[in-house]
Amino acid sequence: KAGVTQTPRYLIKTRGQQVTLSCSPISGHRSVSWYQQTPGQGLQFLFEYFSETQRNKGNFPGRFSGRQFSNSRSEMNVSTLELGDSALYLCASSPGGSGLVYEQYFGPGTRLTVT
Amino acid sequence: AQSVTQPDIHITVSEGASLELRCNYSYGATPYLFWYVQSPGQGLQLLLKYFSGDTLVQGIKGFEAEFKRSQSSFNLRKPSVHWSDAAEYFCAVAPSIDYKLSFGAGTTVTVRA
Repeated sequence: KAGVTQTPRYLIKTRGQQVTLSCSPISGHRSVSWYQQTPGQGLQFLFEYFSETQRNKGNFPGRFSGRQFSNSRSEMNVSTLELGDSALYLCASSPGGSGLVYEQYFGPGTRLTVT
Repeated sequence: AQSVTQPDIHITVSEGASLELRCNYSYGATPYLFWYVQSPGQGLQLLLKYFSGDTLVQGIKGFEAEFKRSQSSFNLRKPSVHWSDAAEYFCAVAPSIDYKLSFGAGTTVTVRA
């Protein structure tokens, strides 16, 4: 099976702009999670989607949003970019399912630089 | 508060020597436990996981980890490291019903010849 793919891999944006990142999960996986990785804060959970519904959310401001499509592909959007949003954004997929935790498989990430 | 602690920020080990990376967690109940590895510029690769049962779990690349409930620990070990094991290692936990992973700060492993 193909792994988790994320596009684009690298992105440079200006402060105040908005950005959309895309994630395609492993075929058959219905859960997609997003994480932000920075040197200062480490890996932090953003949100998780399952069957097009946001099932879990981390402690990030409303500028960070996401959605999932019927084919399980997911996008995350960051509006009004700030310098501190510069990070590696990782997407992870898992089979999902009610009441069980499955291991998550990560994509290579999107490196976002805000100038 | 729930937390994951990796006490060692950086470990240097000689090629062929053994490696142990520490992980402690603080949760109300036994969570699901994971170890991931990240090479520079790459995403995270799952090394192994513990959900229940045998407390010694085997993973890929010759790694194993032991869950110790009394110590709230899930330490990662490898008997003989290879230069390709140089990377950053993350311990992660997930509460039994929640789906989000909480990660430790990571341990960077350097392998010297």
